[in-house]
Amino acid sequence: KAGVTQTPRYLIKTRGQQVTLSCSPISGHRSVSWYQQTPGQGLQFLFEYFSETQRNKGNFPGRFSGRQFSNSRSEMNVSTLELGDSALYLCASSATSGSSNEQFFGPGTRLTVL
Amino acid sequence: GQNIDQPTEMTATEGAIVQINCTYQTSGFNGLFWYQQHAGEAPTFLSYNVLDGLEEKGRFSSFLSRSKGYSYLLLKELQMKDSASYLCAVSLLYGGATNKLIFGTGTLLAVQP
Repeated sequence: KAGVTQTPRYLIKTRGQQVTLSCSPISGHRSVSWYQQTPGQGLQFLFEYFSETQRNKGNFPGRFSGRQFSNSRSEMNVSTLELGDSALYLCASSATSGSSNEQFFGPGTRLTVL
Repeated sequence: GQNIDQPTEMTATEGAIVQINCTYQTSGFNGLFWYQQHAGEAPTFLSYNVLDGLEEKGRFSSFLSRSKGYSYLLLKELQMKDSASYLCAVSLLYGGATNKLIFGTGTLLAVQP
């Protein structure tokens, strides 16, 4: 079974631009969560999607948004990029939405904002 | 607010035992995860505790005390490949099913020969 895939793996943008990141969960998984990882803050929860619905959202500004498609693939978008948005963006999939469900992480997208 | 604390760095010797502690103060606690993350790689699942006590899985064990808001990860017979960051994460329950995890900043473990 293929793991979680994320594209692109690396991305360089400039301030003010917008970016879209993609995540394909493990086949059969319906829940996709997104996290931002930075050296100082660690992993921080962005949002979770299940069956095309956002179920939960972290404490990030409205510039961060996401969506999920009927095939469970998910995208996240960051508009009006700031230098502080430079980070590793990880997505994780799980079979269902529930606290005890193991989340499988993708390799991440490394975003650099110049 | 939600708060999870774990040591920033630890060093141990190959073949030894190391214990990585994690304390948490959260609302809506519904389980605690430990993940391992090698540099430049994705986090991988190690263990999940929802009830008090010890869960053993090979060289790795994880303990939880909900009343104390405390967990630890025990690694035995350390190997060089265990050098990695270890992430403690609390699962939160919000009005039903959710997969929201709150992570600590991670403990960077260096295993020396």
